[in-house]
Amino acid sequence: TQLLEQSPQFLSIQEGENLTVYCNSSSVFSSLQWYRQEPGEGPVLLVTVVTGGEVKKLKRLTFQFGDARKDSSLHITAAQPGDTGLYLCAGAPTGTASKLTFGTGTRLQVTL
Amino acid sequence: SQTIHQWPATLVQPVGSPLSLECTVEGTSNPNLYWYRQAAGRGLQLLFYSVGIGQISSEVPQNLSASRPQDRQFILSSKKLLLSDSGFYLCAWSPGNSGNTIYFGEGSWLTVV
Repeated sequence: TQLLEQSPQFLSIQEGENLTVYCNSSSVFSSLQWYRQEPGEGPVLLVTVVTGGEVKKLKRLTFQFGDARKDSSLHITAAQPGDTGLYLCAGAPTGTASKLTFGTGTRLQVTL
Repeated sequence: SQTIHQWPATLVQPVGSPLSLECTVEGTSNPNLYWYRQAAGRGLQLLFYSVGIGQISSEVPQNLSASRPQDRQFILSSKKLLLSDSGFYLCAWSPGNSGNTIYFGEGSWLTVV
């Protein structure tokens, strides 16, 4: 079974549209991270959320950590072609430091 | 600032040949080190992680092994590669005292033929 489930798996939208990606688990996490990965490169950290209910904004990206620290969401406003990539959430369940687990991934394609 | 570098970037190896992927981290001490494998366009599978020299934990049974001969060096090896070992391999590190946010190397494409 997958510890972190992401949805949707694939998303193809046009420039200017909004979208939300979800990361869900039945486990409680001390923190969750979101990464974006370009083809052939390593994932790059976007944000870390630590507190239940926390909301962080990074330009057009808004990240939220669930109140119970079991889920997170990434919302992109007015998507641009440069947002295209694989989005991964990751976290270590409480009590399992150093064993970061990654979500199943969401592949986003933004077209003109 | 901290940097992580892994090599080679691409590798084409015949079935049954050995493998050695190397990874080094600079600018920090006593990091946690990781090897991940990624299927095409999908999430990452943790293969090995290490919290110190000579301390290796394996997450999945497989044809691969890992070693940490120095504090900031992590090596992924195989004695005899299988076709199923093909994939994108990523080395990563995290601060030893806090652990949860990790930083990735550039990745290594392995094709076993």
